[in-house]
Amino acid sequence: DAGVIQSPRHEVTEMGQEVTLRCKPISGHDYLFWYRQTMMRGLELLIYFNNNVPIDDSGMPEDRFSAKMPNASFSTLKIQPSEPRDSAVYFCASRFTGSNTEAFFGQGTRLTVV
Amino acid sequence: AQSVTQLGSHVSVSEGALVLLRCNYSSSVPPYLFWYVQYPNQGLQLLLKYTSAATLVKGINGFEAEFKKSETSFHLTKPSAHMSDAAEYFCAVRYGGATNKLIFGTGTLLAVQP
Repeated sequence: DAGVIQSPRHEVTEMGQEVTLRCKPISGHDYLFWYRQTMMRGLELLIYFNNNVPIDDSGMPEDRFSAKMPNASFSTLKIQPSEPRDSAVYFCASRFTGSNTEAFFGQGTRLTVV
Repeated sequence: AQSVTQLGSHVSVSEGALVLLRCNYSSSVPPYLFWYVQYPNQGLQLLLKYTSAATLVKGINGFEAEFKKSETSFHLTKPSAHMSDAAEYFCAVRYGGATNKLIFGTGTLLAVQP
């Protein structure tokens, strides 16, 4: 398996623009997580899905952020409108159901909002 | 609140010296415990995980961690540091029950001096 695949790897956008980050989880994994990593706040869980259904979105910073998982092999994280403080590395991770199964991470998308 | 604490945001050791990175969790019920490593501009990679089969867990690259319930700790060690070990290390916990959140510590940046 190719692992968790995220695209794009880098994104530079202007403030106010819409940004869409994409994730393809590992085949067969039924949990998908979106994290944000910044120097100030470390790794924050934004939202996670189980069997394509959003379970906990309490980490989503505000209404400008939305996430979808239309099928088991694809998820998006959208920011609209984007702001400079959204600049961060966004990670997608997936795992299989199990008491101690680990999450596998993608390479991340480095977002810069200017 | 459920949390995980990593003492020491930066640790520096000499090549060949012992590596000790500290992790404590907050719960009377042992959670599922993980250590991840992150190399520059990459995603997180699993080093090892606690499975409750043994309190001393061996991982990749010569790392190991010992689960100590009495101390609510899961410290990461390596007998002899190598230059290639320079990276950021994250302790993570997942508590059982209804939640499937994987909560990360703030990370420890390990520097290895020649």
